[in-house]
Amino acid sequence: EIVLTQSPGTLSLSPGERATLSCRASQSVSSSYLAWYQQKPGQAPRLLIYGASSRATGIPDRFSGSGSGTDFTLTISRLEPEDFAVYYCQQYGSSRSYSFGQGTKLEIK
Amino acid sequence: QVTLKESGPALVKPTQTLTLTCTFSGFSLSTSGMRVSWIRQPPGKALEWLARIDWDGDKFYSTSLKTRLTISKDTSKNQVVLTMTNMDPVDTATYYCARIAGGLYFDYWGQGTLVTVSS
Repeated sequence: EIVLTQSPGTLSLSPGERATLSCRASQSVSSSYLAWYQQKPGQAPRLLIYGASSRATGIPDRFSGSGSGTDFTLTISRLEPEDFAVYYCQQYGSSRSYSFGQGTKLEIK
Repeated sequence: QVTLKESGPALVKPTQTLTLTCTFSGFSLSTSGMRVSWIRQPPGKALEWLARIDWDGDKFYSTSLKTRLTISKDTSKNQVVLTMTNMDPVDTATYYCARIAGGLYFDYWGQGTLVTVSS
């Protein structure tokens, strides 16, 4: 089973700054099979990015995804107040199973 | 408009069996390519995938929990049901159902239902 490790665990930034979140897989993952989600307190996760770099419907273009193989990145170009949340990466495995990273909490500095 | 909503008991006792229902609208599980999953999240912790059911009846389970899980569907009612046996306090979590897009990622989620396991 592929394990996803996200870093950092917590990222403290100010509105207007750039955020870079990392997701590392224990073995190679097809780019098509990597997604990112945003979760705010008391809410369900929301799909942000699928296929490593495609934005989901309605997601602002300040969110972008990149990467391949074992290293993937979610970048938020200019943080807005509503972007402070927990972010999870997720992969789909060959055994028809799914796994999530442990999450990165993006907090206001 | 796609919506999903989970329902079930808020409190179960240890060793009991949990039954959760996901009622959805805006799509049909009889349509080729449609899939629904259950995912849970213990308080303050990460998401954990549990099970998936496909339009054609195929079912897939988390390796670590598969002996305790059963997923089923009632296409006429637009419902997916998850049962989990032998509940333990460590199973306390918010349980979500979600639609799977292309078999790869979760594009629509329910609001979640918190299940507490306690005597």
